[in-house]
Amino acid sequence: GAGVSQSPSNKVTEKGKDVELRCDPISGHTALYWYRQSLGQGLEFLIYFQGNSAPDKSGLPSDRFSAERTGGSVSTLTIQRTQQEDSAVYLCASSLSLGGEQYFGPGTRLTVT
Amino acid sequence: AQSVTQLGSHVSVSEGALVLLRCNYSSSVPPYLFWYVQYPNQGLQLLLKYTTGATLVKGINGFEAEFKKSETSFHLTKPSAHMSDAAEYFCAVTSSGAGGGNKLTFGTGTQLKVEL
Repeated sequence: GAGVSQSPSNKVTEKGKDVELRCDPISGHTALYWYRQSLGQGLEFLIYFQGNSAPDKSGLPSDRFSAERTGGSVSTLTIQRTQQEDSAVYLCASSLSLGGEQYFGPGTRLTVT
Repeated sequence: AQSVTQLGSHVSVSEGALVLLRCNYSSSVPPYLFWYVQYPNQGLQLLLKYTTGATLVKGINGFEAEFKKSETSFHLTKPSAHMSDAAEYFCAVTSSGAGGGNKLTFGTGTQLKVEL
């Protein structure tokens, strides 16, 4: 079956612009997670969604970062007024339920120039 | 709070030699532990996981890991390295849920190089 997909695979943007990153989880998976992988910080948790519950946003680094999940499926991570330190690979994962094994997508490589 | 320490950011072994990647964790509650592998320009793939029960866990591609509570360790081993094992390996911890809880806390990763 299809795995977790993310788009775009690469994104280059100018400092100060807004970007949207998309994640399509595995069909039927109720939990969705965003992580960030950067040279300086390694792999960091950003946010997760579980069904209709309020998301856990405890990992978002600043109020420039936000995410939503529409219809319990697709999720969009938005970064406003991008900064160079936002350059990283953004990984999405989904699991059948909260606490289940997480399956990762290939990531979106964001470069802020 | 939980944390994971991976000793050695780079490990080099000869093909056919033993692979040993070290992971130590810190957790105030019983941990759930994972090893993931990442090939270049790809996402993370789960190698194996420990939740409860048997402390020696077998995963894919011939890898295994042993949970040692007294040593707060979860080292990854493979008896005989293959060239295809060259990748980056991440140890991760979480503390709740039957299969992994919510957010994973990752180590900094170990880059494994396999030489002829």
